[in-house]
Amino acid sequence: AQSVSQHNHHVILSEAASLELGCNYSYGGTVNLFWYVQYPGQHLQLLLKYFSGDPLVKGIKGFEAEFIKSKFSFNLRKPSVQWSDTAEYFCAVIRQYGNKLVFGAGTILRVKS
Amino acid sequence: DTEVTQTPKHLVMGMTNKKSLKCEQHMGHRAMYWYKQKAKKPPELMFVYSYEKLSINESVPSRFSPECPNSSLLNLHLHALQPEDSALYLCASSLRRIGYEQYFGPGTRLTVT
Repeated sequence: AQSVSQHNHHVILSEAASLELGCNYSYGGTVNLFWYVQYPGQHLQLLLKYFSGDPLVKGIKGFEAEFIKSKFSFNLRKPSVQWSDTAEYFCAVIRQYGNKLVFGAGTILRVKS
Repeated sequence: DTEVTQTPKHLVMGMTNKKSLKCEQHMGHRAMYWYKQKAKKPPELMFVYSYEKLSINESVPSRFSPECPNSSLLNLHLHALQPEDSALYLCASSLRRIGYEQYFGPGTRLTVT
């Protein structure tokens, strides 16, 4: 069964610091990859997605992620975080022709103002 | 419009009650999903409907009964629940079942007393 691991459960950063959240998955075939964000009191929102093509994908709010197939990784980055980025971030993976979206455990990001 | 709506927002029910959760989307999506999310955990897939037909049941107890009356609506009927079923129940939809990004509703916070 495929699994998704997120390296850090809690991350605390100061405003303007750079962010990188790690995500690795276990499935060996072709996958579609997602990052979702859940702001406090709000529902899960799609941050960005990767299906194919350029492995560096840009999402909303200045986030980007890089797919490295050889490392089974899809890390999320942002050059300069803001207080409003405080949220929980979930990496999720689905096989290219699969039917089950599998989530990582989530990373809680707190940005200090 | 990428909105999935869910009602009610909160529900408290006793173990002998029967209640239903409702989910609606008007994006023309043909796949709809129910997830369960416990506190500080990622969403866990319960059911998948594709073109109004149940395609995945993740071994969910029969006290949870899904229904998809049409392509825009998804219900989850609840009966004889246990306190451990208390959780946030999320509905999601995607354009098709296979591999597409899913859009999530705000969830119903269920408490079983």
